[in-house]
Amino acid sequence: NAGVTQTPKFQVLKTGQSMTLQCAQDMNHEYMSWYRQDPGMGLRLIHYSVGAGITDQGEVPNGYNVSRSTTEDFPLRLLSAAPSQTSVYFCASSYDRNTEAFFGQGTRLTVV
Amino acid sequence: EDKVVQSPLSLVVHEGDTVTLNCSYEVTNFRSLLWYKQEKKAPTFLFMLTSSGIEKKSGRLSSILDKKELFSILNITATQTGDSAVYLCAVDVGTGNQFYFGTGTSLTVIP
Repeated sequence: NAGVTQTPKFQVLKTGQSMTLQCAQDMNHEYMSWYRQDPGMGLRLIHYSVGAGITDQGEVPNGYNVSRSTTEDFPLRLLSAAPSQTSVYFCASSYDRNTEAFFGQGTRLTVV
Repeated sequence: EDKVVQSPLSLVVHEGDTVTLNCSYEVTNFRSLLWYKQEKKAPTFLFMLTSSGIEKKSGRLSSILDKKELFSILNITATQTGDSAVYLCAVDVGTGNQFYFGTGTSLTVIP
């Protein structure tokens, strides 16, 4: 049972480039979300989804897009990377709204 | 604005000590409070608290929630070096996976 899988683990982008961070879970969880973790600021919610076809914005959504075409996958897209998006990104999933979230191992993104 | 505040920011103790980590919150729609442990990579789940006054316990770790005073504490007794980590408090505020996190308490246990 792989749990929550994020790819890639590390990425360096140039300002203005685009990329997609992948997140997949094999636990049949309905709820998925993306967080970024910056020093001194804790984890902040970017976007979340309560089921396939449904997404919504979190605390810091600007510069990021998401889609949820299947229950298993929840990719995060950076359309035009900026140095302010340098961070560690975590994907999380949970079975329902009353259970804990499981986190992926994170993607460390550097934008130069 | 929803906020979650953890204290202290960091703590250094010796093996065998007991520690208490604090988490206070101000949110508009409280559903539950969760504690996670983070050792370099993914946060791992410790406890979920929804009801006031009911202690959750797992080995040397325990946690309790006070919904009237809007805080929670995480206790670790007989600390070990393996307890060294950042402990994160999160409050679920919405329809699903909408967590507001505190900045964490960094615990270092010295042999």
